[in-house]
Amino acid sequence: GEDVEQSLFLSVREGDSSVINCTYTDSSSTYLYWYKQEPGAGLQLLTYIFSNMDMKQDQRLTVLLNKKDKHLSLRIADTQTGDSAIYFCAERAAGNKLTFGGGTRVLVKP
Amino acid sequence: GAVVSQHPSRVICKSGTSVKIECRSLDFQATTMFWYRQFPKQSLMLMATSNEGSKATYEQGVEKDKFLINHASLTLSTLTVTSAHPEDSSFYICSARDRRLAGGYNEQFFGPGTRLTVL
Repeated sequence: GEDVEQSLFLSVREGDSSVINCTYTDSSSTYLYWYKQEPGAGLQLLTYIFSNMDMKQDQRLTVLLNKKDKHLSLRIADTQTGDSAIYFCAERAAGNKLTFGGGTRVLVKP
Repeated sequence: GAVVSQHPSRVICKSGTSVKIECRSLDFQATTMFWYRQFPKQSLMLMATSNEGSKATYEQGVEKDKFLINHASLTLSTLTVTSAHPEDSSFYICSARDRRLAGGYNEQFFGPGTRLTVL
């Protein structure tokens, strides 16, 4: 079955880098995603990576994928207070359904 | 970009009543829409997949008679919570698949969510 896990909480100082980790179990995943959710709001797609890629960089965001270990990470460079939110990783596998991790709450301290 | 709206954004109802939540794709056609439920400080759990013109497919453990889904057009899906009880209080989020982007990296676009509180 599908299972996606994330650490619950991350505290980081403004200007530092944040790294959020995620593990998944479905080896047939085609795409893996990172979403951001601010309080009381829906999900905003931040970035994604195709399963045959190892790394993807998009401005302050860097996604690393270790397919062998089924490990995904999101690095946010120069973290800002506006980056405080809940971050969800998700995998898209058979049937094109998304399976989400439990979310990592990121708190950026000034 | 593709926009998905939900209405209402918040609803408070009495126990035993039914509540309808609408999900609309505003600038694209969506053959498939998904309904998720999110409890406080938890992840999104897929409830059902709604296909235009056909019956919805429900995930295991989701009561189809309690959560009625109708996807009558390419831009509208509705979720009706029937005989709502306090345990149905949750944040309901829909997403819509743009039929033009099927197979691409980002074929689902999420609505802003509806917070349901059942007293």
